[in-house]
Amino acid sequence: AQKVTQAQTEISVVEKEDVTLDCVYETRDTTYYLFWYKQPPSGELVFLIRRNSFDEQNEISGRYSWNFQKSTSSFNFTITASQVVDSAVYFCALRSNFGNEKLTFGTGTRLTIIP
Amino acid sequence: GAGVSQTPSNKVTEKGKYVELRCDPISGHTALYWYRQSLGQGPEFLIYFQGTGAADDSGLPNDRFFAVRPEGSVSTLKIQRTERGDSAVYLCASSLTPWGTAIENTEAFFGQGTRLTVV
Repeated sequence: AQKVTQAQTEISVVEKEDVTLDCVYETRDTTYYLFWYKQPPSGELVFLIRRNSFDEQNEISGRYSWNFQKSTSSFNFTITASQVVDSAVYFCALRSNFGNEKLTFGTGTRLTIIP
Repeated sequence: GAGVSQTPSNKVTEKGKYVELRCDPISGHTALYWYRQSLGQGPEFLIYFQGTGAADDSGLPNDRFFAVRPEGSVSTLKIQRTERGDSAVYLCASSLTPWGTAIENTEAFFGQGTRLTVV
């Protein structure tokens, strides 16, 4: 069975601070994909990143960076110099590569950036 | 429009009634997914269509839930004899996933959801 755990239910930081959102996953598959989605108040899930289990290189995109550690089954997400527009619920998700299309989501972390 | 469209955006219904929720995927996307998101939770998979056929319906909670996609584009999620526990946001997503090929370079685009409230 697959499982994604986001232990941080809510986080609040002051604008311009850095913040890291944790994600720990469980899977028996040797090949899988990890995702992060952002859900603003409008409700639409916005795709942020997909990571293949074979690629453990960290990735940076502007103020966003992701740290994939296969040894600890973690895929953490860091926002540097946070902005008010970053306020949203963030979901980590997992998908198998073996013909199984469905995403398994964590329970999400509500991030509030205080101006 | 360019994105996934779901209608209605909000639906209030009485317990025991029948409801239909509609999803218009992005044009050309062969894969379509339904998820359900309860308050404070992450989305939970319901069903996945590849073209007109339901390739995986393992997430449907019981036989009151049914979904169709007769022409491989628009999909309708149907709930019979609604219960208060069915109240949730129902999310639809689509992706450009050619049948039988690798899914490595596709991702799912989500609609804004239909908020269903059963009273």
